[in-house]
Amino acid sequence: QITLKESGPTLVKPTQTLTLTCTFSGFSLSTDTVGVGWIRQPPGKALEWLALIYWDDDKRYSPSLKSRLIITKDTSKNQVVLTMTNMDPVDTATYYCAHQYRADFDYWGQGTLVTVSS
Amino acid sequence: QSALTQPASVSGSPGQSITISCTGTSSDIGAYNFVSWYQQHPGKAPKLMIYEVSNRPSGVSHRFSGSKSGNTASLTISGLQAEDEADYYCNLYTSSNFWMFGGGTKVTVL
Repeated sequence: QITLKESGPTLVKPTQTLTLTCTFSGFSLSTDTVGVGWIRQPPGKALEWLALIYWDDDKRYSPSLKSRLIITKDTSKNQVVLTMTNMDPVDTATYYCAHQYRADFDYWGQGTLVTVSS
Repeated sequence: QSALTQPASVSGSPGQSITISCTGTSSDIGAYNFVSWYQQHPGKAPKLMIYEVSNRPSGVSHRFSGSKSGNTASLTISGLQAEDEADYYCNLYTSSNFWMFGGGTKVTVL
C-alpha cells in the first residue's frame, strides 16, 4: 500500500525559506519510472504543479517558480524534500506530495497547509 | 506556458450525464495523450480518475470516461450521483517536461 505524508512548518514569515518533507512508504524511489511530485493549492483556488523528482534524480520544475524551488530525495529514508525560497503571502496554500507513475499522480498525501504571514 | 481552460461550473440532475471540457492548444493537448483527470472533494486530496486521456485506474467507477478531440479533452460522468459533486481538474504533461493543471470545474448535482 502506497502512502505519502507531508510535514513542515505551518507558518512562515515573508522572505523566509520553506522546507517541506514528503515521507512515503509502499514504493521505492529507486524503481524505474517512479517519481514524486509536489503540487499546491491556495485556499479556494486551483491546483498548481510545482516540481517533480524521478528515480534517477532527474528533476523538473514549474517554469514560473523554477528560480525559487529545489527538490531533492533521500532514497534511504524514503523522503523527498522541497525547498521554496523568498516566501510571500501569495504562497499560502495546502502543499501536497504525490507518487507519479507514467505521467499521472496516482497516490497523494493528505496535504499540509502553509500560511505565509508576518 | 499555456493555460488549460475549464468551465468554472457544470451541473446536472441525478441520473443525467455531464461533460467537462479542458481546452489547450495544438502544442499540448492536441499533440500528446498525457491528459489526466482528478476529482477533489472539499478538504480532501485529489483522486486520479482518468489517465492518458481515457484510461480508468482500478477502482474508479465505469461512469467516468475520458476522451480527446483536437485541442480539447473531456471528462464525462454518466448516471450522475450525489457523491460525484466535487471539483474536477484536468492535468497535462507537456512537451517541455512539466505538468499543468486546468483551472478546475465545480460539479453540482441538482
